[in-house]
Amino acid sequence: DTGVSQDPRHKITKRGQNVTFRCDPISEHNRLYWYRQTLGQGPEFLTYFQNEAQLEKSRLLSDRFSAERPKGSFSTLEIQRTEQGDSAMYLCASSLGTGHYGYTFGSGTRLTVV
Amino acid sequence: DQQVKQNSPSLSVQEGRISILNCDYTNSMFDYFLWYKKYPAEGPTFLISISSIKDKNEDGRFTVFLNKSAKHLSLHIVPSQPGDSAVYFCAALSNFGNEKLTFGTGTRLTIIP
Repeated sequence: DTGVSQDPRHKITKRGQNVTFRCDPISEHNRLYWYRQTLGQGPEFLTYFQNEAQLEKSRLLSDRFSAERPKGSFSTLEIQRTEQGDSAMYLCASSLGTGHYGYTFGSGTRLTVV
Repeated sequence: DQQVKQNSPSLSVQEGRISILNCDYTNSMFDYFLWYKKYPAEGPTFLISISSIKDKNEDGRFTVFLNKSAKHLSLHIVPSQPGDSAVYFCAALSNFGNEKLTFGTGTRLTIIP
């Protein structure tokens, strides 16, 4: 069990460019979540997968954001035409079944849009 | 609309004493409450949770208390240790909310040796 892996750890991009982040959950976990955290705030929910099905998307996830989880394994989060307001820490988490006992977060990808 | 609130951005406690972190919520539909701990450059780490049908849950040095009528919960750490210095997030979830967590803004705990 190597935990939840996120790649890259840091990304600096110019405004208007597209970026893609990857998350590898704990292998037996069927649920995968993306959160976003900005300075001074707690993590905010973006989207949730159960196996390969995307079951919920936050209204924070504009049309420029898309997430996939092909075959219910790893997941990608793509941001198109990045804006400075997209600068944040993007956190991925996974769980096996209910989240009542907490889910496991990765270390995050810090995005800076310049 | 901040449904989970942590009104103290920071707290300093002497090593060996009790640390008490507080959290308030507004949504009566929340079923579970969780505490996460976060070190810099790492993701949040799950500490302890409590169901809305209980009023106390204990795990080693960590105890969470829930007062449903007041919509208030607290995390007690005793005795506090230097390694407890971190940001603590309160979070809540609803069985009807696809298991998504709603987080507070966090409290930075500093343990003074």
